[in-house]
Amino acid sequence: DGGITQSPKYLFRKEGQNVTLSCEQNLNHDAMYWYRQDPGQGLRLIYYSQIVNDFQKGDIAEGYSVSREKKESFPLTVTSAQKNPTAFYLCASSRSGTEDYTFGSGTRLTVV
Amino acid sequence: GQQVMQIPQYQHVQEGEDFTTYCNSSTTLSNIQWYKQRPGGHPVFLIQLVKSGEVKKQKRLTFQFGEAKKNSSLHITATQTTDVGTYFCAGRYSGGYQKVTFGTGTKLQVIP
Repeated sequence: DGGITQSPKYLFRKEGQNVTLSCEQNLNHDAMYWYRQDPGQGLRLIYYSQIVNDFQKGDIAEGYSVSREKKESFPLTVTSAQKNPTAFYLCASSRSGTEDYTFGSGTRLTVV
Repeated sequence: GQQVMQIPQYQHVQEGEDFTTYCNSSTTLSNIQWYKQRPGGHPVFLIQLVKSGEVKKQKRLTFQFGEAKKNSSLHITATQTTDVGTYFCAGRYSGGYQKVTFGTGTKLQVIP
């Protein structure tokens, strides 16, 4: 079945460490997105990519980095510069020109 | 920045009662999407509205897009315990590069 796979489901990070969250899709979607979800704040866009080898900053890109070397993959790195990284991270994808997003099951990141 | 306000933030209803959540934007939207997120889960696409005044139904769910394309509502008739979750709207602004702005969500609790 087609879908989006995010891994790991839970991630614990020590302060000062970089961590990379994986997002893979086999839906043949051109566009991919990373969102952060905090309680009571809905979903906030971190980065998005419309096509391979191209990506754009979203509303809260500081402290994060991404790459889009393959159509299927859009990994997110949470760097030590991100001051409050504890959150639920959601990856999504869509066909080009559409807004009906398919979301992965998310990664819950906790800084310890 | 562009914001989509969603009210109420929380709603508790007795099973069988109706429920409505509202989204409001200060500027005109190109379209609006609705998503449902079950507790502990990820958002799942429900529907997209594009035309001014559009009304769409999915069984007990009725979605409406305002005449000015600045507001939208989701109405659930005779709620069931399976309706529990958080409902998000997500609006795309005219000229926006295929990224949408999510509302803060309405968390629905259904009391059996």
